[in-house]
Amino acid sequence: KAGVTQTPRYLIKTRGQQVTLSCSPISGHRSVSWYQQTPGQGLQFLFEYFSETQRNKGNFPGRFSGRQFSNSRSEMNVSTLELGDSALYLCASSGLGVNEQFFGPGTRLTVL
Amino acid sequence: SQQGEEDPQALSIQEGENATMNCSYKTSINNLQWYRQNSGRGLVHLILIRSNEREKHSGRLRVTLDTSKKSSSLLITASRAADTASYFCATDGRGGGSEKLVFGKGTKLTVNP
Repeated sequence: KAGVTQTPRYLIKTRGQQVTLSCSPISGHRSVSWYQQTPGQGLQFLFEYFSETQRNKGNFPGRFSGRQFSNSRSEMNVSTLELGDSALYLCASSGLGVNEQFFGPGTRLTVL
Repeated sequence: SQQGEEDPQALSIQEGENATMNCSYKTSINNLQWYRQNSGRGLVHLILIRSNEREKHSGRLRVTLDTSKKSSSLLITASRAADTASYFCATDGRGGGSEKLVFGKGTKLTVNP
């Protein structure tokens, strides 16, 4: 089985712009979670989608949003980028009733 | 909210030695997991221990869980240079809050050849 894929792998944006990141889960996995990783805050949960519905949400401002498509692929969007949004954004998928999460390689976002 | 806290933050050992990392958490859990991350890449799942289990083994890994102390430890035996990575514990909270997995800040392990 192919692993979780994320595109793009690297992204450079300027303050005020918006960005869309994409995640393709492992085939058959319907749950997709997103995490932000920074040196200062560590790994923080953004949100989780299951069958196109947001099931859980972390403590992030409304500038962070996401969605999931019928094929379980997911996108997250960050609008009005701030310098503090520079981070590694990780996507993870999991199977039904399984706690183990399979992570993608991440998208490294740099906001200038 | 950061629930897990790993200790130590950094650990440097020689190849062949054992490495022990500890994790403490704050609320009740369903299970606790350990993940490894190599230098800015994605996380790799290592092992999951349920709240009703006390010890679990997987290859050179041994995990213990003490729910009364809200703590867990990860032991890597006979370490290798390839074990150099950051290790995170993650809890699947049973309490309130909307987060699914809550990660600690990790222990950075360096295994010197």
